[in-house]
Amino acid sequence: DTEVTQTPKHLVMGMTNKKSLKCEQHMGHRAMYWYKQKAKKPPELMFVYSYEKLSINESVPSRFSPECPNSSLLNLHLHALQPEDSALYLCASSQASRLAGNEQFFGPGTRLTVL
Amino acid sequence: SQQGEEDPQALSIQEGENATMNCSYKTSINNLQWYRQNSGRGLVHLILIRSNEREKHSGRLRVTLDTSKKSSSLLITASRAADTASYFCATDGTGNQFYFGTGTSLTVIP
Repeated sequence: DTEVTQTPKHLVMGMTNKKSLKCEQHMGHRAMYWYKQKAKKPPELMFVYSYEKLSINESVPSRFSPECPNSSLLNLHLHALQPEDSALYLCASSQASRLAGNEQFFGPGTRLTVL
Repeated sequence: SQQGEEDPQALSIQEGENATMNCSYKTSINNLQWYRQNSGRGLVHLILIRSNEREKHSGRLRVTLDTSKKSSSLLITASRAADTASYFCATDGTGNQFYFGTGTSLTVIP
């Protein structure tokens, strides 16, 4: 199995809702990542988990809360989001634990709309 | 903040022609990667070139790296309609920083 899966594909939520994005990989990869991508812009790194521990948080607002329950799963909990948080949220993984110099495998993304 | 800027922003060519896109970056890097993204989908890794390498090939792809000019180019030969996508360079350097460039949108007309 060489793919990263993400659920849901689409999510519409109000500013008072709490929702979660889910990401799964079964490649035995040691690092997992969350990215945010606005339309016609490059992906921006949000969080990096290495060996199930949060190793990088790129100054992301606390309304985004990542969680890594085990080596195959990565969640992103969302609470009190703003309309400007609407974007494509991408999950990725890599075999090596370091961000640098390693091929990342991306999931198809979750398209999030905040009303 | 973005490390890389890509040029051109958009490129439209006929099937069978070659496509060249460029990436310029600001600070020293250890590695540079190229990724492809089909519209609204996840990214697919194409090739990685290390700072001590000057050129790399993979199928119809050729990547060059000029660290003195802080730039890289991606050449796709004999383009196909299926190559239509956005192409991003990505760099990593000291301090575990990792940035995608601004991207080039390629359209290959059948």
